[in-house]
Amino acid sequence: GAVVSQHPSWVICKSGTSVKIECRSLDFQATTMFWYRQFPKQSLMLMATSNEGSKATYEQGVEKDKFLINHASLTLSTLTVTSAHPEDSSFYICSARYGSGFMETDTQYFGPGTRLTVL
Amino acid sequence: GQQLNQSPQSMFIQEGEDVSMNCTSSSIFNTWLWYKQDPGEGPVLLIALYKAGELTSNGRLTAQFGITRKDSFLNISASIPSDVGIYFCAGHRAGTALIFGKGTTLSVSS
Repeated sequence: GAVVSQHPSWVICKSGTSVKIECRSLDFQATTMFWYRQFPKQSLMLMATSNEGSKATYEQGVEKDKFLINHASLTLSTLTVTSAHPEDSSFYICSARYGSGFMETDTQYFGPGTRLTVL
Repeated sequence: GQQLNQSPQSMFIQEGEDVSMNCTSSSIFNTWLWYKQDPGEGPVLLIALYKAGELTSNGRLTAQFGITRKDSFLNISASIPSDVGIYFCAGHRAGTALIFGKGTTLSVSS
């Protein structure tokens, strides 16, 4: 099956620093990747859609200057949390779309997540 | 954003029992997906459904795509302790991101 990796799996940082999270599709090319945020005991909240070679599309209420997304290749998207603060602490999960996005058989595969703790 | 109505919110069952959970939507989807998430991990795809009325099995798991395209259910037969986790349904329409249900937390006692 399709495999998506994330790095790091967890990170602890000081308030005010920036943190970069990588998402890679290991055995398929993904023109579209997604970034989610998940709070304890809650569902996944879509933050942004990352398209290879173009700007990311952010969901309403997500600060694009705070959560920088770069999708430089068909297998790599990065999320940078800039000037992190304790309220940014959360579980961040990426997913990669297998397919064009316009076919019935399109499927999203998820990475294992990154636990961010901002002190 | 939009979310699917997933029920029940949580279930506490004995090992060996069967489990059923479902998702409903006010609008139509082209694809229904069921994921399982273990604590501290990302969701893992269990079953994908692509046609209205489709019934698909994956081991002890069976899922169906509702004929109206607005609902889906997931059944787990003969539950075992490793079935513990959060189960999410997700609906997909062409050109859009997945829309998730709020999840069903399953607890299995042996």
